[in-house]
Amino acid sequence: KAGVTQTPRYLIKTRGQQVTLSCSPISGHRSVSWYQQTPGQGLQFLFEYFSETQRNKGNFPGRFSGRQFSNSRSEMNVSTLELGDSALYLCASSLGGKEDTQYFGPGTRLTVL
Amino acid sequence: AQSVTQPDIHITVSEGASLELRCNYSYGATPYLFWYVQSPGQGLQLLLKYFSGDTLVQGIKGFEAEFKRSQSSFNLRKPSVHWSDAAEYFCAVGGGNYGGATNKLIFGTGTLLAVQP
Repeated sequence: KAGVTQTPRYLIKTRGQQVTLSCSPISGHRSVSWYQQTPGQGLQFLFEYFSETQRNKGNFPGRFSGRQFSNSRSEMNVSTLELGDSALYLCASSLGGKEDTQYFGPGTRLTVL
Repeated sequence: AQSVTQPDIHITVSEGASLELRCNYSYGATPYLFWYVQSPGQGLQLLLKYFSGDTLVQGIKGFEAEFKRSQSSFNLRKPSVHWSDAAEYFCAVGGGNYGGATNKLIFGTGTLLAVQP
């Protein structure tokens, strides 16, 4: 079974621009979660989508948004990029049940100049 | 508040030596506990998980972890470290304790493991 895939793997943007990252979950998985990883803040939960609905949200500004499609693929969008948004963005997928395991993709490295 | 503490930021061990990485958590209910490993520039790979039952869990690559409720700990161990184990290790806690299911994970700050030949 193919793993979680994320595109693009690397991205360079400038301040003020917006960016969209994509995540394709493992086949059959209905939950997709997004995490931001930075050297200063570590791994932080952004949001989780399950069956096209946002089920949980972390403590990030409204510039960070996401969505999930009927095939469980998910996108996250960051508008009005700031230098501090430079990070590794990780996507994880799971079946979405209670005793569940999340499987992570390789991440998208976003650099904001 | 829910939190995970990994007290050791950086650990160096000799190849063949035993390893223990510490993890303490604060959680309002029975936690689901995980250990992930991350190689440079890569995503997270699951090593092992604990949901319930036997408190000693076995994982991949020869790793094991023991859940100790009284100490709020979930330490990761390996009897003999290989050079390929050099990576960053993350402990995480999560769980469907919110009426419905949720997959939010709270991570520790990680422990960077270096292996000396």
